[in-house]
Amino acid sequence: DGGITQSPKYLFRKEGQNVTLSCEQNLNHDAMYWYRQDPGQGLRLIYYSQIVNDFQKGDIAEGYSVSREKKESFPLTVTSAQKNPTAFYLCASSILGQGNIQYFGAGTRLSVL
Amino acid sequence: GQQLNQSPQSMFIQEGEDVSMNCTSSSIFNTWLWYKQDPGEGPVLLIALYKAGELTSNGRLTAQFGITRKDSFLNISASIPSDVGIYFCAGQQNTNAGKSTFGDGTTLTVKP
Repeated sequence: DGGITQSPKYLFRKEGQNVTLSCEQNLNHDAMYWYRQDPGQGLRLIYYSQIVNDFQKGDIAEGYSVSREKKESFPLTVTSAQKNPTAFYLCASSILGQGNIQYFGAGTRLSVL
Repeated sequence: GQQLNQSPQSMFIQEGEDVSMNCTSSSIFNTWLWYKQDPGEGPVLLIALYKAGELTSNGRLTAQFGITRKDSFLNISASIPSDVGIYFCAGQQNTNAGKSTFGDGTTLTVKP
């Protein structure tokens, strides 16, 4: 079945450690996005990519990094510079120019040990 | 950046009641989207609106794109327990740019 797969579902980070969240889509979508969700808050955009080998910072990019080496993959690294990484992370993808409806993965919950 | 004010923040209703929620902004949007998120899952699209004044239904759900293009409304009729979740509005200023601005969500609780 076509869709967006995020892994792992749960992730724990130690102090000073970098961790990478995986996002893969087989929908042949052009654009991919990473959002952070905190309790009681909406989705805040971290990074997005409209084309392979290109990406732009969102509203809260500090402490995060991404890559887009393949159309179907958009991994997010939470670096040690992100001092408050505990959150629910959502990946999405869309076809640009067709209403830009974003389809979301099931999310990764990151906690700090 | 742009902000969307979504209200109410939470709702506690009895099964069978109707529900209304809305999003407002000081900025104009060209597209309005409504999503529902179940606990521990990603949001799922409910309704997409592309034209000012547009009224669109999806089963018991009805959404409207405000004439000023600065607001949108979602109504749920005859609520059922599975309507429980967080409802988000999202606005887009430029469909081709690929960015959406999300409201903070309305948490709906339905009592049987």
